[in-house]
Amino acid sequence: AQKVTQAQTEISVVEKEDVTLDCVYETRDTTYYLFWYKQPPSGELVFLIRRNSFDEQNEISGRYSWNFQKSTSSFNFTITASQVVDSAVYFCALTSGGSNYKLTFGKGTLLTVNP
Amino acid sequence: GAVVSQHPSRVICKSGTSVKIECRSLDFQATTMFWYRQFPKQSLMLMATSNEGSKATYEQGVEKDKFLINHASLTLSTLTVTSAHPEDSSFYICSATSSSGQGRSEQFFGPGTRLTVL
Repeated sequence: AQKVTQAQTEISVVEKEDVTLDCVYETRDTTYYLFWYKQPPSGELVFLIRRNSFDEQNEISGRYSWNFQKSTSSFNFTITASQVVDSAVYFCALTSGGSNYKLTFGKGTLLTVNP
Repeated sequence: GAVVSQHPSRVICKSGTSVKIECRSLDFQATTMFWYRQFPKQSLMLMATSNEGSKATYEQGVEKDKFLINHASLTLSTLTVTSAHPEDSSFYICSATSSSGQGRSEQFFGPGTRLTVL
């Protein structure tokens, strides 16, 4: 069975602070895919990143960066210089052929960025 | 590209009525569609997987007679909540994928439907 753990239920920061959202996963498959999604109050899921298990390069996209470490089964997400618009629930998710490509979501982290 | 729409975005109904939610892939053919339910302040839980032209596969604990899924074409899947009750009130989200094999790892999500049963 696959599992995604987001240990941080809620995080509150002040604008311009950096914040890291943690994600730890479990899977028996050697080929798998990891995702991060943002869910603002409107409810619509916004895709942020998809990473396959063979690509351990860290990625940066503007103020967002992701640190993928297979050795610790972690796929952490950092927002640099946070803004109020970053306030949302963030979900980490995992899929693989072993799960018939069903997505397993973590419980989500509610990020609140205060002005 | 890869846009998925849902209709309606919000629905309020009386207990005992049935509600149909549509999920459409607007610019691609969706071989597989997934239906999720999300209760307030909780994560998304997969309800069922539907493949075009075949019966849906339901997750454990999801009543297939309660949540009827029809994937009649490559661009449309519907979820019907039959004889809805207040406990069915939730946010329902669909996703679609256009590929086979490992391409199915990429799902495109609809904007969701908020169902309130009075």
